[in-house]
Amino acid sequence: QKEVEQNSGPLSVPEGAIASLNCTYSDRGSQSFFWYRQYSGKSPELIMFIYSNGDKEDGRFTAQLNKASQYVSLLIRDSQPSDSATYLCAVDNYGQNFVFGPGTRLSVLP
Amino acid sequence: ETGVTQTPRHLVMGMTNKKSLKCEQHLGHNAMYWYKQSAKKPLELMFVYNFKEQTENNSVPSRFSPECPNSSHLFLHLHTLQPEDSALYLCASSQTKTAGANVLTFGAGSRLTVL
Repeated sequence: QKEVEQNSGPLSVPEGAIASLNCTYSDRGSQSFFWYRQYSGKSPELIMFIYSNGDKEDGRFTAQLNKASQYVSLLIRDSQPSDSATYLCAVDNYGQNFVFGPGTRLSVLP
Repeated sequence: ETGVTQTPRHLVMGMTNKKSLKCEQHLGHNAMYWYKQSAKKPLELMFVYNFKEQTENNSVPSRFSPECPNSSHLFLHLHTLQPEDSALYLCASSQTKTAGANVLTFGAGSRLTVL
């Protein structure tokens, strides 16, 4: 059973702080790793993906991947109230077998 | 129209009704998916179609019947549903890649309520 685990939260951070979201996965064959953001009542939207060990930066967002530890994280710098949402971690092994975690609810306090 | 569109956005049906959810993708992708999202549960993959052939069926009850007439359209036919089937049903599409990431693009979802 392939599993993706996330802390359900809520994770509360003050505006302007760094929010750190974590995800672990069980399938060592996983190749690609995704972070989606989902606002309440809306569908998930892609923030970024990563498939090589190390860091990948896109604006205020940085994804970090450590395949040896089966761990992927998302850092959000200068957090804004508009970043308040549920963040979904997903993994894929090129087989279109996307597995999603339960999501972490982030609350950015003004 | 752009991206992935789903209709209807909201649906209320009785347990004896028959209804269908529709999804259309305008991205030229070759794979389409149905996901179910219930409260406080992870997204659950239901069905995957690749070049309109079903490649995944995640032990979904037969009261859910998918149909994929071509790579751009996907339907989910519903009949004799149960109240616990009430959920947000999300359609997604992707372009299969042999290198790089296979990114899912979601539609806005169809909120289903079974009375």
